[in-house]
Amino acid sequence: GIQVEQSPPDLILQEGANSTLRCNFSDSVNNLQWFHQNPWGQLINLFYIPSGTKQNGRLSATTVATERYSLLYISSSQTTDSGVYFCAASPNFGNEKLTFGTGTRLTIIP
Amino acid sequence: NAGVTQTPKFRVLKTGQSMTLLCAQDMNHEYMYWYRQDPGMGLRLIHYSVGEGTTAKGEVPDGYNVSRLKKQNFLLGLESAAPSQTSVYFCASTLLPTSAGELFFGEGSRLTVL
Repeated sequence: GIQVEQSPPDLILQEGANSTLRCNFSDSVNNLQWFHQNPWGQLINLFYIPSGTKQNGRLSATTVATERYSLLYISSSQTTDSGVYFCAASPNFGNEKLTFGTGTRLTIIP
Repeated sequence: NAGVTQTPKFRVLKTGQSMTLLCAQDMNHEYMYWYRQDPGMGLRLIHYSVGEGTTAKGEVPDGYNVSRLKKQNFLLGLESAAPSQTSVYFCASTLLPTSAGELFFGEGSRLTVL
């Protein structure tokens, strides 16, 4: 099946810094999503982005489908951005399975 | 609008006991999923359903059963719990297939098997 790899596994930043999280996937995809799991365990949709670029406030994401990677950008980090960020992908000709990466744990220090 | 609701939120079982986790969604979604989350392993798909009355195996189905008798509910059962099933379980739903739809998660159910 499709492999989804995220980097870095851990990231510690000062409040106000910018960050880039990367997601590599092994096959062509028709679904690529980014999620944030907050410190209370809730999983929240950030972006549905199988290709192209989207922005939502301080967060933006870009997926380059032909090169099989996606990037999540967080600008002017706040302590509330802390948590684990997951990307998940579904292959073009696969079944109903969204495969998750192992996540990037982001810690924002005040 | 409650979205995706899971019950119970916490449960402690002894090895060999059985239990059922209930997932309910009020968004009229066709597709529903059960995942488990273990430390350092991300989320892994247990079972899923593409509509009322249907179920299918995911990545780690052994030791679990599911039923989708009503469109809005997806039940996950453990017939004989084992310590390896200690995990956090997440239910999710989407209107369209995961090839095109955004996935929405419940708050999770933490299960401990002693």
